[in-house]
Amino acid sequence: EDQVTQSPEALRLQEGESSSLNCSYTVSGLRGLFWYRQDPGKGPEFLFTLYSAGEEKEKERLKATLTKKESFLHITAPKPEDSATYLCAVQARDSSYKLIFGSGTRLLVRP
Amino acid sequence: DTGVSQNPRHKITKRGQNVTFRCDPISEHNRLYWYRQTLGQGPEFLTYFQNEAQLEKSRLLSDRFSAERPKGSFSTLEIQRTEQGDSAMYLCASSPRVTGDSYFGPGTRLTVL
Repeated sequence: EDQVTQSPEALRLQEGESSSLNCSYTVSGLRGLFWYRQDPGKGPEFLFTLYSAGEEKEKERLKATLTKKESFLHITAPKPEDSATYLCAVQARDSSYKLIFGSGTRLLVRP
Repeated sequence: DTGVSQNPRHKITKRGQNVTFRCDPISEHNRLYWYRQTLGQGPEFLTYFQNEAQLEKSRLLSDRFSAERPKGSFSTLEIQRTEQGDSAMYLCASSPRVTGDSYFGPGTRLTVL
């Protein structure tokens, strides 16, 4: 069964303190791995899609990387406005393009 | 590009009542999905449309749930005889023909009293 596990569940950082979020996955043939940001009471906001091991993508202070078993979301010098829940999801090659999500990592960046 | 829109944003209903939610996808997107999200969890897949055809339904989707996408444009999700366990955020997403990137709407928060 396709599954996604995210760690840690919650993370508190001081402004400027870099860190990484982990997403471990098992899937029967990966079509894509997706990262989303979700603010309280809102829908997930698309950040990145990664398709193959070794691929990296960057957006402002965020950098996503992918291996055959996990993905990392690196946050460099975070700011308070980066506080949100970060969701990871996988899409299987033989699926209907549906996403299987992890439970997310709640990030709080303190000034 | 106005994004995915959902209405209503909030719905409070009494147990046993029927509710209907609407989703308007990004105009050029042919795929449309419904997900449900409870507090502290990631979204769970409910159902998927490609154009007007409903191609997959989750085991989570009981007989009380029905979804339509007439003419391959907007979609509706109806819940009959609501139960307290149906309280959740209902999210709609759409994706284009070329990629699997899904873009989510703001969601409809359902509270069943």
